[in-house]
Amino acid sequence: KQEVTQIPAALSVPEGENLVLNCSFTDSAIYNLQWFRQDPGKGLTSLLLIQSSQREQTSGRLNASLDKSSGRSTLYIAASQPGDSATYLCAIKTDSWGKLQFGAGTQVVVTP
Amino acid sequence: GAGVSQTPSNKVTEKGKYVELRCDPISGHTALYWYRQSLGQGPEFLIYFQGTGAADDSGLPNDRFFAVRPEGSVSTLKIQRTERGDSAVYLCASSSGIGETQYFGPGTRLLVL
Repeated sequence: KQEVTQIPAALSVPEGENLVLNCSFTDSAIYNLQWFRQDPGKGLTSLLLIQSSQREQTSGRLNASLDKSSGRSTLYIAASQPGDSATYLCAIKTDSWGKLQFGAGTQVVVTP
Repeated sequence: GAGVSQTPSNKVTEKGKYVELRCDPISGHTALYWYRQSLGQGPEFLIYFQGTGAADDSGLPNDRFFAVRPEGSVSTLKIQRTERGDSAVYLCASSSGIGETQYFGPGTRLLVL
């Protein structure tokens, strides 16, 4: 059974520092891995999607890597800003229908 | 609007009551998903529709939970005899097809007293 873990559960950094968020999974047979952002009281916003055949994806200040063999993905956010404060969730697509299995998330606070 | 919408945004009910939660997917999206998110946890899959039929309902916790999508668009999640443990945020997502990127609504926050 696939298990998705995100450590740490919470993180606080001063503005300008780089953020490193970790996601680990137990079964390497995945379709893809996706990183989402969740703001309080709001739905999920997709940030990056990495297909199982890819090693990384980049969008602006965001970079996500995927190492299936070790069951890990890392989300890097460069030069953090207060507006980056949110909960970040990783999710694995576990079947062809699109069912997603999520980690519990990392709550990030960027202080001015 | 162009996104997924969910109503109501908040619902407070008493233990034992019946509730219905509604999801309006993005127009033209054939796939629809329901997830449940408890406090401090990530969303957990409940059920998935492709068109009008439930393709996978393996995440529904018990027979008090039921969902329909009669015309292949709007979906309703129904919970009978609510329990305090049903309190959570219920999220809906839609996608343009099987396995495509899912777009999430803002969720319905359900509180069972």
